[in-house]
Amino acid sequence: DAMVIQNPRYQVTQFGKPVTLSCSQTLNHNVMYWYQQKSSQAPKLLFHYYDKDFNNEADTPDNFQSRRPNTSFCFLDIRSPGLGDAAMYLCATSSRTGVLNTEAFFGQGTRLTVV
Amino acid sequence: AQKITQTQPGMFVQEKEAVTLDCTYDTSDPSYGLFWYKQPSSGEMIFLIYQGSYDQQNATEGRYSLNFQKARKSANLVISASQLGDSAMYFCAMRSNTGFQKLVFGTGTRLLVSP
Repeated sequence: DAMVIQNPRYQVTQFGKPVTLSCSQTLNHNVMYWYQQKSSQAPKLLFHYYDKDFNNEADTPDNFQSRRPNTSFCFLDIRSPGLGDAAMYLCATSSRTGVLNTEAFFGQGTRLTVV
Repeated sequence: AQKITQTQPGMFVQEKEAVTLDCTYDTSDPSYGLFWYKQPSSGEMIFLIYQGSYDQQNATEGRYSLNFQKARKSANLVISASQLGDSAMYFCAMRSNTGFQKLVFGTGTRLLVSP
């Protein structure tokens, strides 16, 4: 019954080796978010999509890219992971419904280790 | 710009007692939503409660209630009858209904419930 699915749950990658994290949703939500969360810190928004419109946070490094080929899927690409990129990466979705705000549904996260 | 402030890095409460976790926010948007999430040590983000900026009554969900004071821009979470399983990180978050639908988190409060 999982509605936001992130794969893999755990990812180990080598320093400098490109890695892709994936997120899929069955909720048909038009907004998808990628967050980076380091140990004992708040989730930090990297970017988000509103439908196909991509919105990058000003302080998101160029090393991080994203793709959303359709409503259901969203990918986070890290072109050259550094040791400082080791973190939990959280994908979330939500639906914009007029003046109402709805909760964001989170996946279980992908914990990235860089060796 | 949106900003969420949680001034309590850690809180302790005894089982069965009530506890209040503080959250203040800042936004110039008239329409917004406030959310509380729980994050256990396993890492997933669990939605607890939502309050809309136009809601006249404070939100309640079981043992969770939100003390919403719009003029003071505060949205404190009250957990009644604390349980050992409530020990976790708690994040306050805000999403504006205008602009790009960003969901922004506070720095979190770690709650420890003791027997």
